Amino acid sequence: GDSVTQMEGPVTLSEEACLTINCTYTATGYPSLFWYVQYPGEGLQLLLKATKADDKGSNKGFEATYRKETTSFHLEKGSVQVSDSAVYFCALSDRNQGGSEKLVFGKGTKLTVNP
Amino acid sequence: DAGVIQSPRHEVTEMGQEVTLRCKPISGHDYLFWYRQTMMRGLELLIYFNNNVPIDDSGMPEDRFSAKMPNASFSTLKIQPSEPRDSAVYFCASSSSLGDWYGYTFGSGTRLTVV
Repeated sequence: GDSVTQMEGPVTLSEEACLTINCTYTATGYPSLFWYVQYPGEGLQLLLKATKADDKGSNKGFEATYRKETTSFHLEKGSVQVSDSAVYFCALSDRNQGGSEKLVFGKGTKLTVNP
Repeated sequence: DAGVIQSPRHEVTEMGQEVTLRCKPISGHDYLFWYRQTMMRGLELLIYFNNNVPIDDSGMPEDRFSAKMPNASFSTLKIQPSEPRDSAVYFCASSSSLGDWYGYTFGSGTRLTVV
């Protein structure tokens, strides 16, 4: 079945450092890919998405590119801020290929950014 | 739109008591999902509904858990009797099958503590 693998956390960075959180997936065809962010004490929020190969999703300075050849969707940011401290979840869905509405989530990666 | 609304935000109950968690999805969304989040297991899908009908309840841990959706604007997740291992954050999420798909919108969650 479909699955998502994220890099293990936690990740601790200093402010203004570069961030990469790796995400790879296993699925048939061309699933839609998502990054969600969960700030402390809150629910998950959609951060960005991509629906086809080579698409780049971007939001709040974060970017991720849908790489079909490597089945990856790594999250990147050039300069992190303390306010980026959160848990980040990679997810996929095959809804656009007639699959179910279910999102398959990775286990999450906790990011802490220190001043 | 006020988003997905969950109540209560926090619930502390004694082992053996009945607990009811509530969720109001976004108006017009036809899918509703219940998730449980713990440190050990991460994010687990418990059950989801389409047009108020349960579609997949394979994630419901045992018969002590039940979920209903009597109408398009309200769902409950009930645990009876509750046990300490049910302590977790429970999230409700909703989505629409129409138009561009942006994944789910999550509520802020209910933190359940069973003592």
